[in-house]
Amino acid sequence: ELKVEQNPLFLSMQEGKNYTIYCNYSTTSDRLYWYRQDPGKSLESLFVLLSNGAVKQEGRLMASLDTKARLSTLHITAAVHDLSATYFCAVVRGGTYKYIFGTGTRLKVLA
Amino acid sequence: NAGVTQTPKFQVLKTGQSMTLQCAQDMNHNSMYWYRQDPGMGLRLIYYSASEGTTDKGEVPNGYNVSRLNKREFSLRLESAAPSQTSVYFCASSEPARNYYEQYFGPGTRLTVT
Repeated sequence: ELKVEQNPLFLSMQEGKNYTIYCNYSTTSDRLYWYRQDPGKSLESLFVLLSNGAVKQEGRLMASLDTKARLSTLHITAAVHDLSATYFCAVVRGGTYKYIFGTGTRLKVLA
Repeated sequence: NAGVTQTPKFQVLKTGQSMTLQCAQDMNHNSMYWYRQDPGMGLRLIYYSASEGTTDKGEVPNGYNVSRLNKREFSLRLESAAPSQTSVYFCASSEPARNYYEQYFGPGTRLTVT
């Protein structure tokens, strides 16, 4: 059974600091996704990671994938208040359409 | 181009009542999905439709039925609502041939069952 774990579940950080969110998954997967969700809103796609060693960057966020370790990271550089949200990773069981989501990391950036 | 739309936005049901959540997409995507999100949890897949004419169970299908009405529309039906089905329901769509199955989500339906 494919399981996805994120840590930390909650993260409170000061503006200007760096931090990393981790996403571990239990079996091989074709693809890994990162999403952002603002309170009371829907999910917004951030990154799609397709292969071992893939790295994607957008602004202060950088995502990477290590398929051998079954680990993806979402690194936040010099956090700003606007990054406060819940971040989810999701993986797809190989050969299927079944997306399995992590429980999310609620990020709060303090001014 | 509205993307993925869902109706209604909010709904309150009494235990035992039935209702249908509607979802439509205008991106010509082949695949559509229904998820539920409970407080403090990630999304859990209820049902999906890989293409028009097909539907399959996800992680938590019990108590739900779906219909892929056409390529644009995918509905979720609760035949006899239970308090455990109180949740936020999201519909999503994706196109396997483009964008690496990236999913686009609707705004959600907040359902309360009393």
